[in-house]
Amino acid sequence: QQQVKQSPQSLIVQKGGISIINCAYENTAFDYFPWYQQFPGKGPALLIAIRPDVSEKKEGRFTISFNKSAKQFSLHIMDSQPGDSATYFCAAKSTGGYQKVTFGTGTKLQVIP
Amino acid sequence: GAVVSQHPSWVICKSGTSVKIECRSLDFQATTMFWYRQFPKKSLMLMATSNEGSKATYEQGVEKDKFLINHASLTLSTLTVTSAHPEDSSFYICSAMGAISSTDTQYFGPGTRLTVL
Repeated sequence: QQQVKQSPQSLIVQKGGISIINCAYENTAFDYFPWYQQFPGKGPALLIAIRPDVSEKKEGRFTISFNKSAKQFSLHIMDSQPGDSATYFCAAKSTGGYQKVTFGTGTKLQVIP
Repeated sequence: GAVVSQHPSWVICKSGTSVKIECRSLDFQATTMFWYRQFPKKSLMLMATSNEGSKATYEQGVEKDKFLINHASLTLSTLTVTSAHPEDSSFYICSAMGAISSTDTQYFGPGTRLTVL
């Protein structure tokens, strides 16, 4: 029940295209859903996050779509660039105190010129 | 954004020795810090959660006597890998959460690459 399932495992997108990464969760207590970007040899960096009271959140080229009834959320990267090539992790947690974050398995994105 | 640093960024040690990794929140007070381990091409595995001034809470399967965690202040947590063995070689990442903007946001350090020979 604590799992966050992420797909695809890897993704190759041409420059200028749209990258889409999907995640699904089971625990209905989760109410905070961040996405992290990680470059090789570096720690993850918070990219964008959403709470279930909204269905979409956009920050620049990055958009999170959230479907509460389906318990699914996705990251869309518009106009993908080679510099976006990294591993992306979705995550989920319950708010309050020091609830731990449950991470997805990661998606390795490669944007080719 | 909030900045979390780790030191050292990489370390090589001999089997049987102990290694200490520091995690610091540079511009905010971290009420809670987390330690993760990451294997190549894998997701982050939570090892333990520590709150300032109290004992760390370890995840199931993590040896608390081997991975000593101290959260002595609101800006510093340390992970000591005791009697390190080659199988302890990994990428260790800390994260910190505090009373800034949102209590739900974890800010990650850059990670420490540990190689045990």
